[in-house]
Amino acid sequence: EVQLLEFGGGLVQPGGSLRLSCAASGFTFSSYAMTWVRQAPGKGLEWVSGINPSGGYTYYADSVKGRFTISRDNPKNTLYLEMDSLRAEDTAVYYCSVRGIRGVTTFDYWGQGALVTVSS
Amino acid sequence: SYVLTQPPSVSVAPGQTARITCGGNNIGSKSVHWYQQKSGQAPVLVVYDDSDRPSGIPERFSGSNSGNTATLTISRVEAGDEADYYCQVWDSSTDHPGVFGGGTKLTVL
Repeated sequence: EVQLLEFGGGLVQPGGSLRLSCAASGFTFSSYAMTWVRQAPGKGLEWVSGINPSGGYTYYADSVKGRFTISRDNPKNTLYLEMDSLRAEDTAVYYCSVRGIRGVTTFDYWGQGALVTVSS
Repeated sequence: SYVLTQPPSVSVAPGQTARITCGGNNIGSKSVHWYQQKSGQAPVLVVYDDSDRPSGIPERFSGSNSGNTATLTISRVEAGDEADYYCQVWDSSTDHPGVFGGGTKLTVL
């Protein structure tokens, strides 16, 4: 059974930093691309960042480029999102997702989400 | 960047058919995926690659994609289908390829 568990959410002041982790199990982590998607309160889904299986290729939404860094540790089956220079508009539930199990570009399974609140 | 447009809401009576559209420029040339998100829960993939269903998803859920519109069809709607539904594509022409529609709230009357 595929499981994705996010950790590290919380309250942070504007301009601060936070690191999210996503522990994966139930599939061969090193074989699949991974993704972060966020959802602001009462809003829709927003794709944030993605990383290829080896970690050598990363990509970001314009809204977070230069502030967020995605990475992965394949031996530890863990995905990360380092968030710097946080803004109020980054307040959201952050989901990690595995891409490409059923279809090449599907976000197949999702974690339960980690709430990040940026406020003074 | 690529834009996907969904109606904010769709309402349907139990037992009827709900159709949720997702508009995009020449979307018929892309693979479209659909996600269901019930209140307070994470999204779940219900249709992928336009019309395929993951195991465990009822046959009542189906999809189509042609021209500038993709459609998620839910037949014999049940109260438990009430949720937000999102379409998604992968726009490989950009360096920020993940794209979601704005979401559609399905209300079962």
